[in-house]
Amino acid sequence: LAKTTQPISMDSYEGQEVNITCSHNNIATNDYITWYQQFPSQGPRFIIQGYKTKVTNEVASLFIPADRKSSTLSLPRVSLSDTAVYYCLVGTGYQKVTFGTGTKLQVIP
Amino acid sequence: NAGVTQTPKFRVLKTGQSMTLLCAQDMNHEYMYWYRQDPGMGLRLIHYSVGEGTTAKGEVPDGYNVSRLKKQNFLLGLESAAPSQTSVYFCASSYLGQLNQPQHFGDGTRLSIL
Repeated sequence: LAKTTQPISMDSYEGQEVNITCSHNNIATNDYITWYQQFPSQGPRFIIQGYKTKVTNEVASLFIPADRKSSTLSLPRVSLSDTAVYYCLVGTGYQKVTFGTGTKLQVIP
Repeated sequence: NAGVTQTPKFRVLKTGQSMTLLCAQDMNHEYMYWYRQDPGMGLRLIHYSVGEGTTAKGEVPDGYNVSRLKKQNFLLGLESAAPSQTSVYFCASSYLGQLNQPQHFGDGTRLSIL
């Protein structure tokens, strides 16, 4: 079970790019890296997942170095609506991973 | 397309009372999950199901029971509610259980035990 470490909180101004890094030093060969976003009073929402290198979708990019011991979620030009908690999950199945406390991102006007 | 629907959205119980939380999904997903989320904490897995008629324990199963009689429904029961079970409960479903596929969450049930 890969243990993940991410910052407790981050602040960013509107319009800036935000990078949230997750450390997972004991990631296993078959583990995926998945990120979720949770707004207050809502359930988490899947953002992006990857295995290696770079993945991009309409919401974010995920950068994974060759050793896969960390990953970085990149949110381009954040707005106030991106204020949320972001969770990094690492593993093979949802029944064997933990959401942890995540990173609370506060976007400032 | 409703996705994952949780019923009820809010409930207040007295210690010792029982209740059932209902989760329904319309995406034909095999896997379903129940989580609890306490203030300042992440989600903790209570029970999960890998298909109709199956259930399994998660990280914090004590005090809860579950049933998956129909593929689309996953019920969470509290037989004798305790104040420590005051929490927000989230249900989720996924097509399969692998982390490379998204989980879809409901909007939660806010439960207070007095």
